Amino acid sequence: EIVLTQSPATLSLSPGERATLSCRASQSVSSYLAWYQQKPGQAPRLLIYDASNRATGIPARFSGSGSGTDFTLTISSLEPEDFAVYYCQQRSNWQATFGQGTRLEIK
Amino acid sequence: QVQLVQSGAEVKKPGASVKVSCKASGYTFTSYGISWVRQAPGQGLEWMGWISAYNGNTNYAQKLQGRVTMTTDTSTSTAYMELRSLRSDDTAVYYCARGPPEGSDYWGQGTLVTVSS
Repeated sequence: EIVLTQSPATLSLSPGERATLSCRASQSVSSYLAWYQQKPGQAPRLLIYDASNRATGIPARFSGSGSGTDFTLTISSLEPEDFAVYYCQQRSNWQATFGQGTRLEIK
Repeated sequence: QVQLVQSGAEVKKPGASVKVSCKASGYTFTSYGISWVRQAPGQGLEWMGWISAYNGNTNYAQKLQGRVTMTTDTSTSTAYMELRSLRSDDTAVYYCARGPPEGSDYWGQGTLVTVSS
């Protein structure tokens, strides 16, 4: 099973700052990586698929990069509604796993 | 608009089975697969598996193999997830989502399954 390790576990930033979230895979997942945002009591929301493609309706301040084993989600300028938990997810050989999540909190 | 509407909360005893439904609307059901994901209280997301709504092909998480079955009914645009031999650590919110695991774009509202004696 491919393990995804997200860092940091918690990120404390202020609105307007830049957020950089990392996701590292235990082996190559090519570009089969997605990023999701989840707020309390809500279902996850797809932000990025295939490592770098923004999902429909996702603001341009969200961007994804990377391939192979190292991936990054960047939020260029944090809005108040961006404070949430973020998960990466990979699919390899039709087995998928999630990272443990990064909590983005208001500083 | 695309919607996935799941069945209501369930309370089950250990050893029992649960079957959660996910009714899709607003798109051609057979054009997308359905992924199932669960989330234990206060924990992260766990992928359970995926089913093609086109031909019924499935891929299950290895840890759930033998206990989980995913099916679809194309006549009603509904996907189902059955989990057997329930244990207390199966207590979770269960989600269905449209699309492949690496890019599920629409999600159901979630179904709380509580396993308790």
